[in-house]
Amino acid sequence: GENVEQHPSTLSVQEGDSAVIKCTYSDSASNYFPWYKQELGKRPQLIIDIRSNVGEKKDQRIAVTLNKTAKHFSLHITETQPEDSAVYFCAATSSSNTGKLIFGQGTTLQVKP
Amino acid sequence: ETGVTQTPRHLVMGMTNKKSLKCEQHLGHNAMYWYKQSAKKPLELMFVYNFKEQTENNSVPSRFSPECPNSSHLFLHLHTLQPEDSALYLCASSRLGGASYNEQFFGPGTRLTVL
Repeated sequence: GENVEQHPSTLSVQEGDSAVIKCTYSDSASNYFPWYKQELGKRPQLIIDIRSNVGEKKDQRIAVTLNKTAKHFSLHITETQPEDSAVYFCAATSSSNTGKLIFGQGTTLQVKP
Repeated sequence: ETGVTQTPRHLVMGMTNKKSLKCEQHLGHNAMYWYKQSAKKPLELMFVYNFKEQTENNSVPSRFSPECPNSSHLFLHLHTLQPEDSALYLCASSRLGGASYNEQFFGPGTRLTVL
């Protein structure tokens, strides 16, 4: 069935270090891969996304890479700051064409000052 | 403000009560979603609506009854809930087709407590 595996479940880094979160998806028809950030008590917010026709996308300190052959995609955050501390979710589209997203289990990132 | 609103923001109900959650999107989207978020399952899809027609029901118990009268409004009717149904209920919307298809925007959620 449709599945997205996300690792690690928790990640602690020192301020200024880089953080990498990895996801693997099962549906070869998936063509859109968003990343959401959810701060404590707030709604998930889209921070970056990538479509299947590109391998990498960057927006200031965050970047996403996609390897369609291996069905892997990753979120990279450089020069982390305490305000990056949150839960991050990856997702992939379902082949059902209903707009449905399959979400990973989430990664709790803690950036220590 | 993402353009997706939910009311109420907090709800406490007994197991015999009937209540409804409301979601409204002001983004011109044509797909809407209900998610349940709890410590055990971080983002669990419940229902999907496309052009106000239900297209997905993720094996949700019948004590949860969705309603989508139009593309802008989505309700979740609750009755005879269990304490394990306590969670954050998130609504989301997206556009099917077009350049920004599949981008889902979430509402702030309703924190539900079932006593």
